[in-house]
Amino acid sequence: AQKVTQAQTEISVVEKEDVTLDCVYETRDTTYYLFWYKQPPSGELVFLIRRNSFDEQNEISGRYSWNFQKSTSSFNFTITASQVVDSAVYFCALSEVGRGAQKLVFGQGTRLTINP
Amino acid sequence: DGGITQSPKYLFRKEGQNVTLSCEQNLNHDAMYWYRQDPGQGLRLIYYSQIVNDFQKGDIAEGYSVSREKKESFPLTVTSAQKNPTAFYLCASKTAEGVYGYTFGSGTRLTVV
Repeated sequence: AQKVTQAQTEISVVEKEDVTLDCVYETRDTTYYLFWYKQPPSGELVFLIRRNSFDEQNEISGRYSWNFQKSTSSFNFTITASQVVDSAVYFCALSEVGRGAQKLVFGQGTRLTINP
Repeated sequence: DGGITQSPKYLFRKEGQNVTLSCEQNLNHDAMYWYRQDPGQGLRLIYYSQIVNDFQKGDIAEGYSVSREKKESFPLTVTSAQKNPTAFYLCASKTAEGVYGYTFGSGTRLTVV
């Protein structure tokens, strides 16, 4: 069975600090996708990134970066120079590939608060 | 603009009553999903549908029912058999090919009073 664990329930930092959100996953599939979503107070899920299990290159998008390490089954997310607008709940998710509906399995979420 | 519309945004229900949450998409997506969100538990899959007139149970389907009579619509009924229905409900859809195209609605917050 697939499982995603986000051990950090809540994180609170001061603006401009760097912060890393951890994500550890379990799957028996050799091919899978990993995602990060942001959920602002309004409730909708905002897509941030998708990573194919074959692609272990780290990715940077502005102040956001992702570190995928297959050897440790981790897909961590770092926000550099955090801003108050980054305050939200962040979810890591895992999906099978190529079979049926390709359901998303979510972690418990990490509530990130950026204080001014 | 294409997207998913969930209505209503807030819903109150008396204990023992059934209630239906609406989810409509105009993205021409084949697959649709219902997730439930509780504090500290992330999102859990209730039901999903890959094509019209077909749907499958997710991890927590007990006390819920769905229908998929049209490609655009995937309503969720919370029945009186659901013991703890107060939660935030999110609908999602995606194309059949490829995993990239998940789209989520803005959610319905259901409160049992």
